[in-house]
Amino acid sequence: GQQLNQSPQSMFIQEGEDVSMNCTSSSIFNTWLWYKQDPGEGPVLLIALYKAGELTSNGRLTAQFGITRKDSFLNISASIPSDVGIYFCAGQLNTPLVFGKGTRLSVIA
Amino acid sequence: NAGVTQTPKFQVLKTGQSMTLQCAQDMNHEYMSWYRQDPGMGLRLIHYSVGAGITDQGEVPNGYNVSRSTTEDFPLRLLSAAPSQTSVYFCASRVAGASYEQYFGPGTRLTVT
Repeated sequence: GQQLNQSPQSMFIQEGEDVSMNCTSSSIFNTWLWYKQDPGEGPVLLIALYKAGELTSNGRLTAQFGITRKDSFLNISASIPSDVGIYFCAGQLNTPLVFGKGTRLSVIA
Repeated sequence: NAGVTQTPKFQVLKTGQSMTLQCAQDMNHEYMSWYRQDPGMGLRLIHYSVGAGITDQGEVPNGYNVSRSTTEDFPLRLLSAAPSQTSVYFCASRVAGASYEQYFGPGTRLTVT
């Protein structure tokens, strides 16, 4: 079945630094979604991408739908302590959403 | 709107016991699904439903049953709990159609001893 490779698995950064994470697949997708999960909570949708090459921002977050339709990345600028959590990518093409295994972000004040 | 609600928040079962995890949404979403989350495994789809009366299996359906008698509710049943079903369970919903933006409930943490 379809699988997503999300990297890095975890990262520790200093407050104020920029963060970059990505998701790749051997299959093409029509939709890429990025979610954030706070400890003890359900995932919350951050950004949705529907078109190859699309670049979308949500505050300090920016995500792009790769031209090949097989990858997507998420950038966070000027990280703050509340950015801590697990970030998931998800892709979709004619099947239910497929999720990556997540990137765990820790921010050191 | 309350969004997606799940009960209970926490549950401990003994091996062989049965229980139902409840999920409800008040957004009139046609599409509902159940995921389990295990450390290092991400979110894995158990069952999903594209509308009342229609359900289908996901990636890891064994040991779980679902039904969808109304648009609002999508319960997940464990008929005979096993320790391998210890996990955090999330219900999600979305509108049918081109938008695949799913909204998740707060989760149920299940421990099977």
